Amino acid sequence: GNSVTQMEGPVTLSEEAFLTINCTYTATGYPSLFWYVQYPGEGLQLLLKATKADDKGSNKGFEATYRKETTSFHLEKGSVQVSDSAVYFCALSPGDYKLSFGAGTTVTVRA
Amino acid sequence: DTAVSQTPKYLVTQMGNDKSIKCEQNLGHDTMYWYKQDSKKFLKIMFSYNNKELIINETVPNRFSPKSPDKAHLNLHINSLELGDSAVYFCASSQARRGLETQYFGPGTRLLVL
Repeated sequence: GNSVTQMEGPVTLSEEAFLTINCTYTATGYPSLFWYVQYPGEGLQLLLKATKADDKGSNKGFEATYRKETTSFHLEKGSVQVSDSAVYFCALSPGDYKLSFGAGTTVTVRA
Repeated sequence: DTAVSQTPKYLVTQMGNDKSIKCEQNLGHDTMYWYKQDSKKFLKIMFSYNNKELIINETVPNRFSPKSPDKAHLNLHINSLELGDSAVYFCASSQARRGLETQYFGPGTRLLVL
């Protein structure tokens, strides 16, 4: 079946540090890949997505590249801010309306 | 204007009660979803409707019954609530494009069963 494995948290960083959250997936075919972010007390919102191999999604300084050879979609940001503190979810959609989410990674950025 | 709204935001109730959560989207989407998020933040899809037709029905106790009166609304009714039903329930919507669509989430309904 389809599944997503992402780096366990929590992750605590200082402002301006580099952030990487690893995400690997198992799927048949060619799924679309997503990163969603959940700020405290809120619902999820799309951060970025990629729909085919080698696509790079980017938004708000975050980037992730769809790597089919390593079945990965790692999230990176070069310089985090306190406002980036949130839970980050990697997800995939194989094309059947379902989103399969990873377990979520809690990120806390300290000033 | 809120794109996906849910009511109530908080729900505290006793075991055995029946409760409903309502969801509305004003995005013109034709697909809506219910997710359950447990205390460890794990998200699992429960149901999905496309044009008022049930298309996803995961392994969920039959005490949970979704209802979609029209494309803009998807309600969730829960009978005989149990302690394990305590969670945050999220509604979401998307424009059906088979895996390419972005899902837009509501703010969540925090259900606590005592």
